Amino acid sequence: AQSVAQPEDQVNVAEGNPLTVKCTYSVSGNPYLFWYVQYPNRGLQFLLKYITGDNLVKGSYGFEAEFNKSQTSFHLKKPSALVSDSALYFCAVSLSNTGGFKTIFGAGTRLFVKA
Amino acid sequence: DAGVIQSPRHEVTEMGQEVTLRCKPISGHNSLFWYRQTMMRGLELLIYFNNNVPIDDSGMPEDRFSAKMPNASFSTLKIQPSEPRDSAVYFCASSFSTVGQPQHFGDGTRLSIL
Repeated sequence: AQSVAQPEDQVNVAEGNPLTVKCTYSVSGNPYLFWYVQYPNRGLQFLLKYITGDNLVKGSYGFEAEFNKSQTSFHLKKPSALVSDSALYFCAVSLSNTGGFKTIFGAGTRLFVKA
Repeated sequence: DAGVIQSPRHEVTEMGQEVTLRCKPISGHNSLFWYRQTMMRGLELLIYFNNNVPIDDSGMPEDRFSAKMPNASFSTLKIQPSEPRDSAVYFCASSFSTVGQPQHFGDGTRLSIL
C-alpha cells in the first residue's frame, strides 16, 4: 500500500537551533514530494517540492528538504529555527493515477519552537 | 491572485439540517479537492474533480455527503442530513492538473453540528 509516514507527532526545538521534521514514504514509481505548513485557523500552505534533480531543495521561509532515494525519505530542515516557525507541517507524495493524479498526505508533525 | 475562497468561514447548525459549503478555486486551476480535517482522523480527502468531473469520490463518508462542480469557478459540498460527527474543518484546494503541481488551500469552513 502506498503511504507517507511522519514518525514524530511533535518536534520541540529552541529558537536559533537547527530543526528537522522527518518524512518517509512507500510508493511505487517515481514520486513527487511536497512539504506544506499549516498555521492556526488557516489552510495548508505550500513550502517546497522535489520533482527531479538536486537532492537538496530550497523553499519558502528558509526551509529546505533533502531527498534520499535509498532511504525513501524527504526530511524538512532549517538551519536556525524561529518562534514563528511553530506550526503543523505536512509531508505529501503525488503520483500519477487513472484519470489524473493522487496526493497522499502524512499525518502531520507539530513543531514547537521555544524562545 | 485572490487565492481559494471558501464560504462560510464558520457554520453552526443543528443536527438534521442541510449544510452547504462553497468554494471558488483559483482562476485557471482545473483540479479541485475537498478535504476534511479533525483531530482524530487528521486530513482526509473527500472528493477530487478534474475539469469539473468527479474523478475520485472514494473518500466521501456516506450518501449524506454530495459534491458538485457546475463550472470551473464554483464547487459545493453538501451534507444532508447533518450529524454531530460531521463536525470538522472542511478545506477546498485547487491546482493545475499535472502531478508535480502543488495544491492551494482555502482557509476552510469550521462546521459545528449541535
